[in-house]
Amino acid sequence: GEDVEQSLFLSVREGDSSVINCTYTDSSSTYLYWYKQEPGAGLQLLTYIFSNMDMKQDQRLTVLLNKKDKHLSLRIADTQTGDSAIYFCAPAGPGRRALTFGSGTRLQVQP
Amino acid sequence: DGGITQSPKYLFRKEGQNVTLSCEQNLNHDAMYWYRQDPGQGLRLIYYSQIVNDFQKGDIAEGYSVSREKKESFPLTVTSAQKNPTAFYLCASSIDGGRGDEQYFGPGTRLTVT
Repeated sequence: GEDVEQSLFLSVREGDSSVINCTYTDSSSTYLYWYKQEPGAGLQLLTYIFSNMDMKQDQRLTVLLNKKDKHLSLRIADTQTGDSAIYFCAPAGPGRRALTFGSGTRLQVQP
Repeated sequence: DGGITQSPKYLFRKEGQNVTLSCEQNLNHDAMYWYRQDPGQGLRLIYYSQIVNDFQKGDIAEGYSVSREKKESFPLTVTSAQKNPTAFYLCASSIDGGRGDEQYFGPGTRLTVT
């Protein structure tokens, strides 16, 4: 099955950029999602990238995909205190029953 | 407003009692899912259903049961056989399970068993 690894914690100062990394094992993954979870809440889809893309930009969010290394990253520009949350990487693919989630990276933004 | 609702937000039960968590969606999605979240462990799949009257076990189905009698509803029962039921439970749905579609999540139910 798919394994997904993320670092557990990242701390940045307000206004800096944040980069959250993710590695996965299943090269057949075709959609790679990023979800955000605020304390005590469900998961909110932030953005995603198709496996035939290297990069996707969506306002302050940039997703980079290195398919050869099976490495995905999420860059948040001009990080704000409201960005403090847990971020989950979740690869998916045809024929797979559900998303596979990493353990999540807790982003702490210091004023 | 389309979305997924879970109720209640907080649930308390005594050990040995079965408890049912509600999940309803009005997105007209075929597929629905239940995940369990424990601190520092991400989400683990309990059960999923790709169509009405059909469901499959996920990675940690022991001690849980589900039904899918209606497209909109996918209730999860936490039975007394579940050894460590205290957790945050998340329900999700997607247009068509099995294609890697994005999943939409409900707000979650925090279950505490003492």
